[in-house]
Amino acid sequence: EAGVTQFPSHSVIEKGQTVTLRCDPISGHDNLYWYRRVMGKEIKFLLHFVKESKQDESGMPNNRFLAERTGGTYSTLKVQPAELEDSGVYFCASSQMGQGVEKLFFGSGTQLSVL
Amino acid sequence: ELKVEQNPLFLSMQEGKNYTIYCNYSTTSDRLYWYRQDPGKSLESLFVLLSNGAVKQEGRLMASLDTKARLSTLHITAAVHDLSATYFCAVDRETSGSRLTFGEGTQLTVNP
Repeated sequence: EAGVTQFPSHSVIEKGQTVTLRCDPISGHDNLYWYRRVMGKEIKFLLHFVKESKQDESGMPNNRFLAERTGGTYSTLKVQPAELEDSGVYFCASSQMGQGVEKLFFGSGTQLSVL
Repeated sequence: ELKVEQNPLFLSMQEGKNYTIYCNYSTTSDRLYWYRQDPGKSLESLFVLLSNGAVKQEGRLMASLDTKARLSTLHITAAVHDLSATYFCAVDRETSGSRLTFGEGTQLTVNP
């Protein structure tokens, strides 16, 4: 069974550009989460989808970040325009309905560098 | 606001030695998790601790939870090089919805 897959694994962009990160959860997982780790600090929650609906987006830092999960399958996280402080590792995680964070499966992350 | 603190943040140890990583959290938590991350890889779940006094062991790693002290420990016994990784603790609270609050991670290096 395939795990959580994230694309790209690395992205280097210039300040002001747009970047779109993609996450493919484990098939059948209704819960999808985005987290990020900035500057080697703690991993912080960004948002939580249940199927295609945003259950909790209280961790999104500002309106330059847009997350979508059309059709309740894969998700994208767009940063537009990117700023220097957006650099970090963006993790996606998924779980089955009813399991929440108790049994989360994480992707390998996207390392985003904004220059 | 729930805060989670780990210490140490960096740990270099010799093979065969024992050591403990500490995880303190600021408010009542429902569950405590330990994850391992190898460089460039995903976070791998190690332990889920659900109640006060819970102790779980897997190989050379043992995790415990004291909810009264708001403290979890990850004890490493007779370390081997393969244990080199970054270890994260995380907590969740039913009242905070379905999300984890992580510590900063402990980067462990086991030297031959």
